[in-house]
Amino acid sequence: DIQMTQSPSSLSASVGDRVTITCRASQSISGYLNWYQQRPGKAPKLLIYAASSLQSGVSSRFSGSGSGTDFTLTISSLQPEDYGTYYCQQGYSSPHYTFGQGTKLEIK
Amino acid sequence: EVQLVESGGGLVQPGGSLRLSCAASGFTFSRYEMTWVRQAPGKGLEWVSDISGRGTTIYYADSLRGRFTISRDNAKNSLYLQMNSLSAEDTAVYYCARVVGTYWHFDLWGHGTLVTVSS
Repeated sequence: DIQMTQSPSSLSASVGDRVTITCRASQSISGYLNWYQQRPGKAPKLLIYAASSLQSGVSSRFSGSGSGTDFTLTISSLQPEDYGTYYCQQGYSSPHYTFGQGTKLEIK
Repeated sequence: EVQLVESGGGLVQPGGSLRLSCAASGFTFSRYEMTWVRQAPGKGLEWVSDISGRGTTIYYADSLRGRFTISRDNAKNSLYLQMNSLSAEDTAVYYCARVVGTYWHFDLWGHGTLVTVSS
């Protein structure tokens, strides 16, 4: 199975900060990388697909980049509603999908 | 409204069985691959099983050891997960999700249904 490793596991940032979360695959997954946000007690929400494509209705302060094994999710200017846990997911080995372990984001 | 609504979760004893359902509405259900993802309390997301739009191609996570069966009824716009020989390790919120091909992302999720395996 393809392993997905996120860093950091948690972070705390202030409103207006630029936040970066990274995701590394255990082998090349080309651009088959998706990002989700999950708020406590809620279902995950798709933010970015195909490494850098913004899902419809998602704020443009979210962006994604990367290919191969290394990927990044960036929040350009952190807002209070951006708290939660962020997960990456690879679709390269469809349908044996795997997720990263998550990055918990706290707003200071 | 485009949505997925899970049901069927609850408390079950170790060794027991449970059948989850996922009702789809607002889109052409049969055109989409569907998947189940679970999340144990305080843990991350784990892919469970996947079924093609016609129900002809099915996959499971290796960790399930043949205990779960995914199915769908396109006439009823419904997805199912039959879970047998349940253990405490299966305690989780179970989500159904719609899969979008090409980059295999999950663009629509249900709210989840909690399965608790305990005596």
